[in-house]
Amino acid sequence: QVQLQESGPGLMKPSETLSLTCNVSGYSISSGYYWGWVRQSPGKGLEWIGSIYHSGRTYYNAALKSRVTISMDTSKNQFFLSLTSMTAADTAVYYCVTVGGWSNWFDPWGQGTLVTVS
Amino acid sequence: SSVLTQPPSVSVAPGQTAMITCGGNNIGSKGVHWYQQRPGQAPILVIYDDDDRPSGIPERFSGSHTGNTATLTISNVAAGDEADYHCQVWDITSDHPDFGGGTKLTVL
Repeated sequence: QVQLQESGPGLMKPSETLSLTCNVSGYSISSGYYWGWVRQSPGKGLEWIGSIYHSGRTYYNAALKSRVTISMDTSKNQFFLSLTSMTAADTAVYYCVTVGGWSNWFDPWGQGTLVTVS
Repeated sequence: SSVLTQPPSVSVAPGQTAMITCGGNNIGSKGVHWYQQRPGQAPILVIYDDDDRPSGIPERFSGSHTGNTATLTISNVAAGDEADYHCQVWDITSDHPDFGGGTKLTVL
């Protein structure tokens, strides 16, 4: 059973760079699937940030592409999110997700981590 | 704004049937997925590929898809079903997902 767990800072200042880690257990991330990040601003809907394939190829939300980097460390079975130039508008719960199936659904999700920019 | 359109809210009495729609111009040929998000919790997948249920999801949850509209149906609604429900498709052209804006299901 695949399980994901996010970790990172809870509070940041404007202009800082966000670094989040997703620790994956129960499956080797180098074996398959996409691995992704989704965020949800307070009271808002879900926003896809980007994904990384097990080969290392990445796909980013066009609106965030200039500030986002997703990477992975297969030796630690972890993948990462870096988001530069954080502002209050980036305050959100950040989820790491497994992306699978022929039509790419998200399952499972991590529990999420709240990042506040203030 | 979301590419997929969902009603902001749906209300239903316990024991009744709730139907939540998800519409979009180009979803006719795409698999539609549905997520349940209870307050303060992460989303969980309840329907994938229009009408398939992951293991552990009650049969009360079902999905359908006709043309450019998909529907999540929850029968015999209980208080524990009160949550936000999000639909999602994958845009093959740009290789990214699209989400609906979410529907808040209230159990009266």
